[in-house]
Amino acid sequence: GQNIDQPTEMTATEGAIVQINCTYQTSGFNGLFWYQQHAGEAPTFLSYNVLDGLEEKGRFSSFLSRSKGYSYLLLKELQMKDSASYLCALGAGSARQLTFGSGTQLTVLP
Amino acid sequence: GAGVSQSPSNKVTEKGKDVELRCDPISGHTALYWYRQSLGQGLEFLIYFQGNSAPDKSGLPSDRFSAERTGGSVSTLTIQRTQQEDSAVYLCASSLARPGRGVEGYTFGSGTRLTVV
Repeated sequence: GQNIDQPTEMTATEGAIVQINCTYQTSGFNGLFWYQQHAGEAPTFLSYNVLDGLEEKGRFSSFLSRSKGYSYLLLKELQMKDSASYLCALGAGSARQLTFGSGTQLTVLP
Repeated sequence: GAGVSQSPSNKVTEKGKDVELRCDPISGHTALYWYRQSLGQGLEFLIYFQGNSAPDKSGLPSDRFSAERTGGSVSTLTIQRTQQEDSAVYLCASSLARPGRGVEGYTFGSGTRLTVV
């Protein structure tokens, strides 16, 4: 099975940098995903890591260390619109279904 | 279509009634998934369809839940004899996932908010 842990809530200031951590225990997975979900809306895809290391995509970067069972999502130059829930998910198995963590609710303050 | 379409967007039903939730995936996406999200919780996998293969039903919480996908496109999730604990947002997602080709991101629909009273 898979066990995914994320902090429940985080608060940061507009213009700052925030790092959202995700730790997991699993027997194996194909890739690690990060999704953003605004209140009342569908999750939207942010990033995907297969290999260890950092994947950068504009203001968002995601890091994976398989040996440490650890990932993080880094958000730079925070904007008010970044206030949302950030979901860490593992993709595994031939069915390719994703197993999601409970999400981290980020609040960006002015 | 341009995105994943789900209907209805909201559904209020009485305990014990049956409900049907519809998902229209992105054209050409062979994989279709149903998830449910209870208030303040993560997404819970329900069922997965891939092409013409038998669906993976391993996430369905009880035999009151069933789903079908007609013609490899539209899918319907049916909940029979609804209970209050079935209240949640039911999300559908589709992707181009092909076995052996690696994991690809999903595109989610906006979901159906089901309230059982």
